[in-house]
Amino acid sequence: EAGVTQFPSHSVIEKGQTVTLRCDPISGHDNLYWYRRVMGKEIKFLLHFVKESKQDESGMPNNRFLAERTGGTYSTLKVQPAELEDSGVYFCASSQFGEGAFFGQGTRLTVV
Amino acid sequence: AQSVTQLDSQVPVFEEAPVELRCNYSSSVSVYLFWYVQYPNQGLQLLLKYLSGSTLVKGINGFEAEFNKSQTSFHLRKPSVHISDTAEYFCAVIPLSSGSARQLTFGSGTQLTVLP
Repeated sequence: EAGVTQFPSHSVIEKGQTVTLRCDPISGHDNLYWYRRVMGKEIKFLLHFVKESKQDESGMPNNRFLAERTGGTYSTLKVQPAELEDSGVYFCASSQFGEGAFFGQGTRLTVV
Repeated sequence: AQSVTQLDSQVPVFEEAPVELRCNYSSSVSVYLFWYVQYPNQGLQLLLKYLSGSTLVKGINGFEAEFNKSQTSFHLRKPSVHISDTAEYFCAVIPLSSGSARQLTFGSGTQLTVLP
């Protein structure tokens, strides 16, 4: 069974550009989460989907971040326009019952 | 709200020595507890979890953790470490009463470095 897959693994963009991160969860997992780790600090929650619906987006830092989950399958996280402080590692995770989650390898985003 | 404190940011230890990585949490409600590990250039992998039952939980790669409700702790232990255990370890919690909002609250991580 395939795990959680994230694309790309690394992205380097200039300030002001747009970047889209993608996450493919484990098949059958209704719960999909986005987390972010900035500058070696704690891993912070961004948002939670249940199927295609946003259950909780209280962790989204501002309106430059837009997350979608098409048809309850894969999810994208778009940052537009990117700022220097958006640099970090973005993790996606999925779960079936919500008691712990399986994580992807993360996307390391560097904004220069 | 919940918070998780990992008291040691760096733990160096010699190969075959025992190790304990400390984790304390704060929550007004009961929680589930987790340890995740991130090996170099890899994603987060679930090491073990405590949901209910026995307070001593065994995980993968010979790790175990003990839930202590009175001390609000969930320390991770291994009796004899290997070079391959070098990684960053994260303690995390989920509140039981969060309904469908099952997001994890993480500690800041502990870098375990096993020395030859």
